[in-house]
Amino acid sequence: TQLLEQSPQFLSIQEGENLTVYCNSSSVFSSLQWYRQEPGEGPVLLVTVVTGGEVKKLKRLTFQFGDARKDSSLHITAAQPGDTGLYLCAGSSGSARQLTFGSGTQLTVLP
Amino acid sequence: DSGVTQTPKHLITATGQRVTLRCSPRSGDLSVYWYQQSLDQGLQFLIQYYNGEERAKGNILERFSAQQFPDLHSELNLSSLELGDSALYFCASSGDRALSGNTIYFGEGSWLTVV
Repeated sequence: TQLLEQSPQFLSIQEGENLTVYCNSSSVFSSLQWYRQEPGEGPVLLVTVVTGGEVKKLKRLTFQFGDARKDSSLHITAAQPGDTGLYLCAGSSGSARQLTFGSGTQLTVLP
Repeated sequence: DSGVTQTPKHLITATGQRVTLRCSPRSGDLSVYWYQQSLDQGLQFLIQYYNGEERAKGNILERFSAQQFPDLHSELNLSSLELGDSALYFCASSGDRALSGNTIYFGEGSWLTVV
């Protein structure tokens, strides 16, 4: 069974601070996705990374896929209250698109 | 709005009962996925259908079953319900990989509470 561990589980920071969320596994994934989920809604895809060492930027969010494709990180610069939500990493293997989700990081950005 | 529609949004039922959750995928998407989200287990993949056929199975209990109909909508049937089945059930859909890549679109979920 492939497992994805996310850390930290909870993170509460002040507006303007930077933060990094980690997603680690002992398994290799063909691709890894990051989602954000808000209360009462389903997860919304932020980014997909497929190449080891790949870095993708989405405004203030920077996503990195580890060289061995076993881990990933999400860095947020100058966090804003609108960034508050549950951040989930999810991996897929081979041609399958069923996802293995991490346990999530609940981020709260205080004004 | 992801384009994936789930009904009902909320459901309260008693232990031992049976419920059916319904999902309409995005227009044109052939793949439908069901996920369960609970506080202790997180988001768990249950089952995937592709154009009416079961494609992959995850952590789905024998008391649960699903199907995808010719019009591509899907239903998840949960029977002999237990308190531990209380969770948020998500349906997701995806289209042709060549066109939409790896993107899977999630609905807003159906909240099931078993009392």
